Amino acid sequence: EDKVVQSPLSLVVHEGDTVTLNCSYEVTNFRSLLWYKQEKKAPTFLFMLTSSGIEKKSGRLSSILDKKELFSILNITATQTGDSAIYLCAGPNFGNEKLTFGTGTRLTIIP
Amino acid sequence: SQTIHQWPATLVQPVGSPLSLECTVEGTSNPNLYWYRQAAGRGLQLLFYSVGIGQISSEVPQNLSASRPQDRQFILSSKKLLLSDSGFYLCAWSVQTYTQYFGPGTRLTVL
Repeated sequence: EDKVVQSPLSLVVHEGDTVTLNCSYEVTNFRSLLWYKQEKKAPTFLFMLTSSGIEKKSGRLSSILDKKELFSILNITATQTGDSAIYLCAGPNFGNEKLTFGTGTRLTIIP
Repeated sequence: SQTIHQWPATLVQPVGSPLSLECTVEGTSNPNLYWYRQAAGRGLQLLFYSVGIGQISSEVPQNLSASRPQDRQFILSSKKLLLSDSGFYLCAWSVQTYTQYFGPGTRLTVL
């Protein structure tokens, strides 16, 4: 059965700190890995990673994939209170169009 | 551009009452459509997905059902709600990619 595990479950840091969120996966016939940000309502798409070692970047957020170790990290530098959210990692199931989601990391930024 | 609508935004229903949640997508054709539930403090649980009109795959056996009467319309129903049906219901779509895009969600409270 496909499995996506995120750590830590929750994280509290001060504004300006840098954080690293982790995602490990066991997905049959790996194709890609996705990161989402969920504030009070629906998850919003951040990144899709398909190639190992290639960093994707959007402003202060960046993410990288290690296919050999079945691992991905999401980095946020110079955190702001608006970064407070649940960050979700997901892996597609080969052969259909489903995503397996991790339980998420709840990030809280203290001003 | 594509947009996804869900209604209602919030709903309070008594135990044993029926349920109908609607999701529509604009700006795309033949999307894959998904219903998820997120219980308080929990991850996203896939309930149903559909790759075309009238084609529904159920992930979790329970008292919920789904229908897709039109290409861009996805409906989640129940004949009799249980307390355990409370949660945040999210509809999502995807087209020719693993990336799913979520609607604003419906927060359901069953009393």
